[in-house]
Amino acid sequence: DTEVTQTPKHLVMGMTNKKSLKCEQHMGHRAMYWYKQKAKKPPELMFVYSYEKLSINESVPSRFSPECPNSSLLNLHLHALQPEDSALYLCASGQGMGGDEKLFFGSGTQLSVL
Amino acid sequence: ILNVEQSPQSLHVQEGDSTNFTCSFPSSNFYALHWYRWETAKSPEALFVMTLNGDEKKKGRISATLNTKEGYSYLYIKGSQPEDSATYLCALVSGFKTIFGAGTRLFVKA
Repeated sequence: DTEVTQTPKHLVMGMTNKKSLKCEQHMGHRAMYWYKQKAKKPPELMFVYSYEKLSINESVPSRFSPECPNSSLLNLHLHALQPEDSALYLCASGQGMGGDEKLFFGSGTQLSVL
Repeated sequence: ILNVEQSPQSLHVQEGDSTNFTCSFPSSNFYALHWYRWETAKSPEALFVMTLNGDEKKKGRISATLNTKEGYSYLYIKGSQPEDSATYLCALVSGFKTIFGAGTRLFVKA
């Protein structure tokens, strides 16, 4: 199984809602990532987990709250988002955080904040 | 701030044409360069992982070269086919971060 599964595929939420994005992989990967991508822009790194511990937080606003309950799961909890947070949110996993390991991506959650 | 630049932003070619595009990156703190292929409505998929200056990698009709001293990588597609239509992303790995360029969007017309 070389898949990274993200749910939901699409999400529309209001600015007062609380929602969660989910990501799952069963490849035994120890590094998991959240990226945010706006149209025609590069995917931007948000968070990196290594061995279930948060290793990198790229100064992401606290309305985004990541969680890694176990080595196969990665969540992104959303609360009080702004319309400018509308974007594609991509999850990725890798064997480790070394550069010679390719990343495996999910197909993303397209988020719209109204 | 690490900045990865890709050019062109988009490219339209005819079936059978060969094409290439560029990824530029700061050569300091280089650890690896990745190329990914991203078809619409699918997941980005790794094509190549390159770590050494002068590396050349090939996968079917697609190949890539790497120059870490001057900070660039080229991706070549020989005899483009409509199924090659996708966005091609390069990513610089530096430290524990993988930083992406905005991609080159390739359209191959039959």
